[in-house]
Amino acid sequence: EPEVTQTPSHQVTQMGQEVILRCVPISNHLYFYWYRQILGQKVEFLVSFYNNEISEKSEIFDDQFSVERPDGSNFTLKIRSTKLEDSAMYFCASRAGGRQPQHFGDGTRLSIL
Amino acid sequence: AQTVTQSQPEMSVQEAETVTLSCTYDTSESDYYLFWYKQPPSRQMILVIRQEAYKQQNATENRFSVNFQKAAKSFSLKISDSQLGDAAMYFCAYRGGVQGAQKLVFGQGTRLTINP
Repeated sequence: EPEVTQTPSHQVTQMGQEVILRCVPISNHLYFYWYRQILGQKVEFLVSFYNNEISEKSEIFDDQFSVERPDGSNFTLKIRSTKLEDSAMYFCASRAGGRQPQHFGDGTRLSIL
Repeated sequence: AQTVTQSQPEMSVQEAETVTLSCTYDTSESDYYLFWYKQPPSRQMILVIRQEAYKQQNATENRFSVNFQKAAKSFSLKISDSQLGDAAMYFCAYRGGVQGAQKLVFGQGTRLTINP
């Protein structure tokens, strides 16, 4: 069964550094998402992406965040200047469209030191 | 804005018994989807079951079933014949509409413990 893959599984970065989290969605999917889960808390929506542009973003997704689909297969989340509070699990998800559910990757654990 | 509430932070059940996890939501939309996701200690997000609001019949997937009460905006998950592998965090989630990107809105989660 096709799946969403995320790399790396764990990223450790110094505060203030830029970080890029990578995702390969399922190949025929059209909608892409990033979610965040701070340890012990609920999963929060960050951004959705469709037709090569952001379709919706949350208040969390400020100017420090950006997303890109550079080559038709990868979907990346960039955090420009990381803060301690960016430490969380980041999940990528994709969806085919219509009434189909979102499929999640295994997540990237981001630790900011 | 839509909200999802799980009022049980923790639940426990004896192995082979049945347990029900509660979820309520708030929305003004008439067409939407509801989901239960399982998150084991590995922190993957695994889809357990889904319900489309226009369907009156409750969804079932093997030992997992839901009780969907649209008027009450309630969506509980029943796990029958609980197994040790069912131990995890369970999240209820809402997705609105049939058009557009349709983000998921999650509840706070319920940690389920299975006692052998």
